[in-house]
Amino acid sequence: DGGITQSPKYLFRKEGQNVTLSCEQNLNHDAMYWYRQDPGQGLRLIYYSQIVNDFQKGDIAEGYSVSREKKESFPLTVTSAQKNPTAFYLCASSIGGLVGTDTQYFGPGTRLTVL
Amino acid sequence: AQSVTQLDSHVSVSEGTPVLLRCNYSSSYSPSLFWYVQHPNKGLQLLLKYTSAATLVKGINGFEAEFKKSETSFHLTKPSAHMSDAAEYFCVVIKNSGGYQKVTFGTGTKLQVIP
Repeated sequence: DGGITQSPKYLFRKEGQNVTLSCEQNLNHDAMYWYRQDPGQGLRLIYYSQIVNDFQKGDIAEGYSVSREKKESFPLTVTSAQKNPTAFYLCASSIGGLVGTDTQYFGPGTRLTVL
Repeated sequence: AQSVTQLDSHVSVSEGTPVLLRCNYSSSYSPSLFWYVQHPNKGLQLLLKYTSAATLVKGINGFEAEFKKSETSFHLTKPSAHMSDAAEYFCVVIKNSGGYQKVTFGTGTKLQVIP
């Protein structure tokens, strides 16, 4: 089955700890994205990557870091510098490329709670 | 600047009656427009998309949307609501800019379907 997987579904961490959220896709997509969802605010873009070894900051990148060493994987690290890390995190991917705008396919999400 | 406004945060309809979820956008150039649906604690699923072809776009589950450039609107409709339509709906604008995608989500509309 092709798709996007995010693990774990629920994650709990103590304040001050870094935590890494996993996102894997087997759709052979070039582009991958991380969003944060908070009640009443829709989705906000954290980071995105159009191709391996390249990534760009989104609208709310502060306190987050990413890597894109493999096409299939785009892990997101929530650092202790992120002031309000408790949220629902969604990963997405799309075919990518420089021409046109293509559909993003979303993973099931990870709900992070910082205690 | 690019923006998306979903005019209603909550919409309540009776089962079997029409659904109208409103979306207005602002973009410097002709964007691509999407509607996504999210069921509780799940990822997002694409309902339909407009990419400068036909202005009336048909999607899954009986939904459709009409792109009206003069009104900068992309409202989502369905002739007859079903209980399974209860979910949160997001209008999304995507524009290619300098080889990178600018993605903007609306704040979402929660649809309640009353039996």
